[in-house]
Amino acid sequence: QQQVKQSPQSLIVQKGGISIINCAYENTAFDYFPWYQQFPGKGPALLIAIRPDVSEKKEGRFTISFNKSAKQFSLHIMDSQPGDSATYFCAASRSGGYQKVTFGIGTKLQVIP
Amino acid sequence: NAGVTQTPKFQVLKTGQSMTLQCAQDMNHEYMSWYRQDPGMGLRLIHYSVGAGITDQGEVPNGYNVSRSTTEDFPLRLLSAAPSQTSVYFCASSLRRTENSPLHFGNGTRLTVT
Repeated sequence: QQQVKQSPQSLIVQKGGISIINCAYENTAFDYFPWYQQFPGKGPALLIAIRPDVSEKKEGRFTISFNKSAKQFSLHIMDSQPGDSATYFCAASRSGGYQKVTFGIGTKLQVIP
Repeated sequence: NAGVTQTPKFQVLKTGQSMTLQCAQDMNHEYMSWYRQDPGMGLRLIHYSVGAGITDQGEVPNGYNVSRSTTEDFPLRLLSAAPSQTSVYFCASSLRRTENSPLHFGNGTRLTVT
C-alpha cells in the first residue's frame, strides 16, 4: 500500500519555466511533509518542509502548497534552472512516532536550456 | 563534520554471500535508519534505531539484520544475498527520535548481487 503517491515520475521543463510535482497521502495522522532533493551519486537532502497548519511555504524559488482537505501537497519550482535537475521526493511522517518517514516514488526533473 | 558516512560505495556479491554495510554519523543523532532505493519504488525503510541497543523493523526488513551498540554506528547485515537485494542503500540519521527533525543521508552504497 503506497501511503504517499507522487506524480509525475519524470518531468522535462525548459529553463525559466515552472516545475510542478504533486503528492497525495492517505494517512490523516501525518503532520509533517518534507521534500528531499537528490543529485546523481548523492543521498537525498532536505529541500523544504511544511506542516498542515499552513497552506503555503516559500523558500526562494521553491514553494510548497498544501491542501489538507484534499490530502494533497505540491512542490513548485519557479524560474527552473539546469542546476535544479535532480530527483525530488515528497515524504510524510507523524509526530510521536519513531520518525518513520514514508517517501513517494520520486520525480526525475530535467531542466533543459 | 563528516555527517553520515557509508562504506563501501560499491559492492558486488554472489548469491548466498553475506556482507555488512557500514554507517557512521558524527552528529550525536538519536535516530538512524536504513533505506533502499529502487527505480519506481522510491525509498523504502528497512530497519531503524531510536538509540543504542534499540532497533525495529521498517517496511522491507526480510533478509537484513541490524544492531546498534553505539550512538555513532548502525551497520546493516545481509545474511545470504539474493538478486532481489540489488539496490542502492542509504543510511540516514536525525537528531531526535520522536520529533520531525530532518533526515541526513549518506551518499549510498550501490550493491549488485549476481
